[in-house]
Formats: sequence, structure tokens, C-alpha cells
Amino acid sequence: NAGVTQTPKFQVLKTGQSMTLQCAQDMNHNSMYWYRQDPGMGLRLIYYSASEGTTDKGEVPNGYNVSRLNKREFSLRLESAAPSQTSVYFCASRTGRLIYMNTEAFFGQGTRLTVV
Amino acid sequence: DAKTTQPPSMDCAEGRAANLPCNHSTISGNEYVYWYRQIHSQGPQYIIHGLKNNETNEMASLIITEDRKSSTLILPHATLRDTAVYYCIVRVAHLSSRLTFGEGTQLTVNP
Repeated sequence: NAGVTQTPKFQVLKTGQSMTLQCAQDMNHNSMYWYRQDPGMGLRLIYYSASEGTTDKGEVPNGYNVSRLNKREFSLRLESAAPSQTSVYFCASRTGRLIYMNTEAFFGQGTRLTVV
Repeated sequence: DAKTTQPPSMDCAEGRAANLPCNHSTISGNEYVYWYRQIHSQGPQYIIHGLKNNETNEMASLIITEDRKSSTLILPHATLRDTAVYYCIVRVAHLSSRLTFGEGTQLTVNP
């Protein structure tokens, strides 16, 4: 049981380049999340998807787009990377639906992105 | 979701109990208290959650005050591997799927 899998684990981009971070979960969870974590700071929510076919902005959505491709996969895209997007990105999933959210979240191991 | 306040850092001796406080004075009646931890550079890990009653599992105990305005996570016999950032989160059990984290407490377990 792999849980939440993120790819790639490490990436270096040049300013202005684009890339997509992939996330997949095999737990049949409804909700999926993307967070970023900067040194010495907590997790900040970028985007989330309550269920297949829906996405919503989190605390820091600017500069990012997401796609909930199907129930398993939730990708995060940087269209034009900036040095300020250098961070560690975490994907998470949980079972909750809109009417029942009292379940734990499972996290991937992170993608370390450096934009130069 | 209610805001939480945690001390930025705490120390604990190995083998002793670690008591991590969290203040959530604006908590609503339908909001749960969750605890997660993040060991260096890894993804966060769920520890425990509760609504009103104290809870215990194989990892920790959660003590929630009667007025629900604060709680304490207890690691009964801390080990060096418990060194991590601990996050206290308060959230509603339904409505939005939003799940947000604060700054957390850096717990350092010393030998």
C-alpha cells in the first residue's frame, strides 16, 4: 500500500520554466491537498480538491494551477516558475466528503523544488 | 476554523513525558482538535484527535479542558525519535474540506 505518492522528489527549474508536480493516492480518498513549506514555517495550503471534479483556492494560490484528473490524481502546475516558489511541496489526501470531514489526512514525502 | 496558539519550541528529557499545550479559545461546539507532527523533512503524520472527551491511542494522549478552550498532547515516554514539529489544528467536522496548519511547536527530546 503506497499511500500518497509524489513525483518528482527533487527538481531544479530556471526562472520562467514551467512544470507539473504529480500526486497520486491509492486509498480511494475524496479530498486532496497541495501545501508548500518554507524554511522555519508551517504548512501553507495552496489548493485543495474536496472531491473529483472540484478544486478550490487555499491560502497562497497565486502562481499555481491545479487539476484533479480523477479520484486518484491531483496535480500542481507552475506555469512560469519564480524564485519565490522555491519550497518543499507536500500533497495530502483524506476520505472526507462535504458532510463528513472528521478523518485524518495522509501526506506524501514531499517535492523539493528550487527555482534559480 | 478556529485559530490555535502554540509555543514555538519546547524541550523534554528522553524517557519523560512531553506535554505540548495548545490554546484554541475561539473554538466552536462542532470543531474537533487534531494533532499532527512532522519529523524533519518528512510529510506530516496524524497523531490523534478529539471533540470533548480525552482520547488515547498507541502514540499519545489528548487532554481537552472542560471549556474546550485549550488542550494538551501528551507523549508519555518521549524518545529521541519524537523530536519533531507538532501541529495543533481545530476544524469543523463537516462543511469545507479545507485543512490549514499553523506554526506548530518544535519539540526537542534530549538524551
